[in-house]
Amino acid sequence: DQQVKQNSPSLSVQEGRISILNCDYTNSMFDYFLWYKKYPAEGPTFLISISSIKDKNEDGRFTVFLNKSAKHLSLHIVPSQPGDSAVYFCAASAANQAGTALIFGKGTTLSVSS
Amino acid sequence: DAGVIQSPRHEVTEMGQEVTLRCKPISGHNSLFWYRQTMMRGLELLIYFNNNVPIDDSGMPEDRFSAKMPNASFSTLKIQPSEPRDSAVYFCASRVNTGELFFGEGSRLTVL
Repeated sequence: DQQVKQNSPSLSVQEGRISILNCDYTNSMFDYFLWYKKYPAEGPTFLISISSIKDKNEDGRFTVFLNKSAKHLSLHIVPSQPGDSAVYFCAASAANQAGTALIFGKGTTLSVSS
Repeated sequence: DAGVIQSPRHEVTEMGQEVTLRCKPISGHNSLFWYRQTMMRGLELLIYFNNNVPIDDSGMPEDRFSAKMPNASFSTLKIQPSEPRDSAVYFCASRVNTGELFFGEGSRLTVL
């Protein structure tokens, strides 16, 4: 069973509009969540994270929202740019410690058209 | 500074052959992870090490898969014998304590 689920394999958005990528998790022990971005032929790179003690974290155009009761998080990109076109992975861990691993979802491919 | 270095970048082999993927983590990082990316399963954790010791290998698909980390600067993922369903991109990643997880560029494996 997937502990981290990204139910939308793809998302298409026009430049300048908002992109909303969603992620659900099942393990109530998860308390640290991250989003990674991946371009073709490259490894994933860290984008933004949020701890379970918060419900929102913002970094420039990127904002992550966490709803612990619903076990749901989302990544908002405003405004979307063509360079944001990539695969976005949601990831979670039970504790942000060296002895634990990040569990990733299947990813959502975002396409931003100009 | 050099990032996580993986080799080979591409490997094409025939079913039944042994495949060895290599990873050099970022210097000073004490945790190393092997992930596999496929369309069906996304980024799947195979095994991870902390201070060169395997912590969790429950993600390793079968006994055909094995991983070692003989020292802090080198790890291998071996598949013997390889099968077509092992075709995927294999990523190595490293981190230090609670820091960000850094990924290599991946090794694309094709088993014919």
